[in-house]
Amino acid sequence: DTAVSQTPKYLVTQMGNDKSIKCEQNLGHDTMYWYKQDSKKFLKIMFSYNNKELIINETVPNRFSPKSPDKAHLNLHINSLELGDSAVYFCASSQAPTGVEQYFGPGTRLTVT
Amino acid sequence: ELKVEQNPLFLSMQEGKNYTIYCNYSTTSDRLYWYRQDPGKSLESLFVLLSNGAVKQEGRLMASLDTKARLSTLHITAAVHDLSATYFCAVDKQGDYKLSFGAGTTVTVRA
Repeated sequence: DTAVSQTPKYLVTQMGNDKSIKCEQNLGHDTMYWYKQDSKKFLKIMFSYNNKELIINETVPNRFSPKSPDKAHLNLHINSLELGDSAVYFCASSQAPTGVEQYFGPGTRLTVT
Repeated sequence: ELKVEQNPLFLSMQEGKNYTIYCNYSTTSDRLYWYRQDPGKSLESLFVLLSNGAVKQEGRLMASLDTKARLSTLHITAAVHDLSATYFCAVDKQGDYKLSFGAGTTVTVRA
């Protein structure tokens, strides 16, 4: 069974479009995250929810909006996509917000043309 | 802002030899994490180090944490091809849930 799953795995879209990435975890974790990994493999936290409450909201354009309908799901919606949004987006989850390992999803490779 | 520096960024290893990856961070923290990423894949947790002097070992990998020096090391013993991957260290500080990652060390093991 997949612990942290994301859909879609690949997303190719044009500038200006709006897209969503979905994430689900079946580990019973309370905390979920979105990370962005750029072409140089640099990983940066974007958002984190703990028990459906937003606890990390990094300096990202407000075109990015996370939504957590329940503790098992964390979706990422991106408006007005730009070329610079091209990256791999990873969802992750953990039992607690800190002090424990995070479990990462397979990633969504977003390409904006 | 918490800065995490890894070195080297690229490491070409010869099978059977020992190597060390270093992770320095800029602020007080006693929580450090190591992750592995295979090309085109996700990240996998290797170690969670939660106190000064913590040492953990799994197979050919051993990680340690010196919070006074703000330094963690990942030691690889007798490198084998399967260890080829990118290794990331990450740190968070108390009171801040944000995990800050190093740039990663890309390891290639050659025969």
